[in-house]
Amino acid sequence: DTGVSQDPRHKITKRGQNVTFRCDPISEHNRLYWYRQTLGQGPEFLTYFQNEAQLEKSRLLSDRFSAERPKGSFSTLEIQRTEQGDSAMYLCASSLGLEETQYFGPGTRLLVL
Amino acid sequence: AQKITQTQPGMFVQEKEAVTLDCTYDTSDPSYGLFWYKQPSSGEMIFLIYQGSYDQQNATEGRYSLNFQKARKSANLVISASQLGDSAMYFCAMRERANFGNEKLTFGTGTRLTIIP
Repeated sequence: DTGVSQDPRHKITKRGQNVTFRCDPISEHNRLYWYRQTLGQGPEFLTYFQNEAQLEKSRLLSDRFSAERPKGSFSTLEIQRTEQGDSAMYLCASSLGLEETQYFGPGTRLLVL
Repeated sequence: AQKITQTQPGMFVQEKEAVTLDCTYDTSDPSYGLFWYKQPSSGEMIFLIYQGSYDQQNATEGRYSLNFQKARKSANLVISASQLGDSAMYFCAMRERANFGNEKLTFGTGTRLTIIP
């Protein structure tokens, strides 16, 4: 399967713990996006990469969040000192370039207890 | 103001009937793109169809078509001959060129479609 993959699919953690999610985009896609989706809402933009460069971060991305894409391929999203409000689905998407369709992965569902 | 408005939180449709899901948008950017995605209960967002603001014809992809009315700023999704597997959340999304290369998508709140056998 050559689609976008995300790991883990589900994560349950206790408040205050750190969590890290991984996204593997479609091969050769140079743009990678992270979105967050809370219950009953559409996804909201968090951040995006063009190759290894992180070019924009949403105001939703507090300083507890950090994202990397070290070699321009896979990306990680880390949340430090998780809070219950961080409970959501975290979606990753990739696209080939400008004005190309974004293809999404299956998401990581995070539950913070 | 909401950039993407989906006014139908839920719809029930008989199998094999056609269904129209509404979407209106708000932008001052002359160049933009409109997308529809399907999200089954598994959570993955599945791309269905795309319409560019300069496209002269309405987009079609198999049983999906997009009724694009630029002056009214609407981009309704039409699903013909609905099937049980069409039951899912459907999201309308917009990409604006004015975001200086950041082609982030802005999504509506979605419509939950249920197909009745």
